Amino acid sequence: GENVEQHPSTLSVQEGDSAVIKCTYSDSASNYFPWYKQELGKGPQLIIDIRSNVGEKKDQRIAVTLNKTAKHFSLHITETQPEDSAVYFCAARVTGANNLFFGTGTRLTVIP
Amino acid sequence: EPEVTQTPSHQVTQMGQEVILRCVPISNHLYFYWYRQILGQKVEFLVSFYNNEISEKSEIFDDQFSVERPDGSNFTLKIRSTKLEDSAMYFCASSAGTGAYEQYFGPGTRLTVT
Repeated sequence: GENVEQHPSTLSVQEGDSAVIKCTYSDSASNYFPWYKQELGKGPQLIIDIRSNVGEKKDQRIAVTLNKTAKHFSLHITETQPEDSAVYFCAARVTGANNLFFGTGTRLTVIP
Repeated sequence: EPEVTQTPSHQVTQMGQEVILRCVPISNHLYFYWYRQILGQKVEFLVSFYNNEISEKSEIFDDQFSVERPDGSNFTLKIRSTKLEDSAMYFCASSAGTGAYEQYFGPGTRLTVT
């Protein structure tokens, strides 16, 4: 089955700096890659996603890039703010299936 | 904004007891899911449900588990005889339908088996 690896496990940045979280996947049949933000005591919140027919997608301060050849995708957060502090999960969906395979999560801390 | 809700937020039960975790998916969504997250580990898929039947399930979803949509709004996960290793956060999610890949998660139920 699909295996999603995520790095780093923890990331600390100064407020205003950029943060990058990287994920790799193993199944070339994966076609959908969402990113979730999980705050303490809450469920995962979908923040951005990308499908395999697109190389990059941007939504205000967050962007996701996908390299299908290398089977990796990344989350970029620019101008980080303290409220960006949370655990971020990447995930992948294999074509023809509905379930998501998750990475292990990255705890992002934005230092004011 | 519509959201997935789950009850209870925390459930404590003794080993061997049955538990039912409840979810109300987003109205008009057609696909429903249960995932779990053992403390410090990945979020893992358990089961997906569409058109009143299981569409996919993982190896974790054995005969101890069952799902049901008893009415037009609730979606439940039953664990028949809980084990210590069932202790985890259980998340319900829903998605709109075929071609709509986005899955929206509820806040979770923390299950503690003692």
